[in-house]
Amino acid sequence: SQQGEEDPQALSIQEGENATMNCSYKTSINNLQWYRQNSGRGLVHLILIRSNEREKHSGRLRVTLDTSKKSSSLLITASRAADTASYFCAAGGSQGNLIFGKGTKLSVKP
Amino acid sequence: NAGVTQTPKFQVLKTGQSMTLQCAQDMNHNSMYWYRQDPGMGLRLIYYSASEGTTDKGEVPNGYNVSRLNKREFSLRLESAAPSQTSVYFCASTPGHLTHGYTFGSGTRLTVV
Repeated sequence: SQQGEEDPQALSIQEGENATMNCSYKTSINNLQWYRQNSGRGLVHLILIRSNEREKHSGRLRVTLDTSKKSSSLLITASRAADTASYFCAAGGSQGNLIFGKGTKLSVKP
Repeated sequence: NAGVTQTPKFQVLKTGQSMTLQCAQDMNHNSMYWYRQDPGMGLRLIYYSASEGTTDKGEVPNGYNVSRLNKREFSLRLESAAPSQTSVYFCASTPGHLTHGYTFGSGTRLTVV
């Protein structure tokens, strides 16, 4: 079964607005990762947050992790049309495998 | 160009035919993975190789076999293709799963008729 579950499934915003996507996972993790996928392309790694970290930033991205609630969020600030893509969270266990959620489809309108 | 290379990009098979999907990375990564992506299902792990010489089953291994040929190459074989294996297949690699993200290939779109 899927380890991560993103919420919402789809999100539509205007350029310049912030986009927030949430992720829940089921078991203990070593890290939590976020990926972007443009239509018809492979996935691109965005950010990794370790289980002992609570918040991490990378450019316009901000990720939080709450291991007590088994949840994470990805915030994209000042969204651009080029941010239109599907975003996936992925739970990393100690065994060496990464389990993905079903993704959030983000649409940023110019 | 450094990265993960998958071949072929597209393939149509008849039910019962066999084929091997090839994956190679030139980043000296230790771990390699095969995923399939179906509409509405996200990515599901088929098999992975944590290091050269080892392979392990993922979430959906039935109907597939893998070979970690060397550190660079990790192939996925369908012995007798079924329509349920119609999907987009992605190969990925990482230098270390605890501290690094994965680098993905561009995918193989497989249709079984």
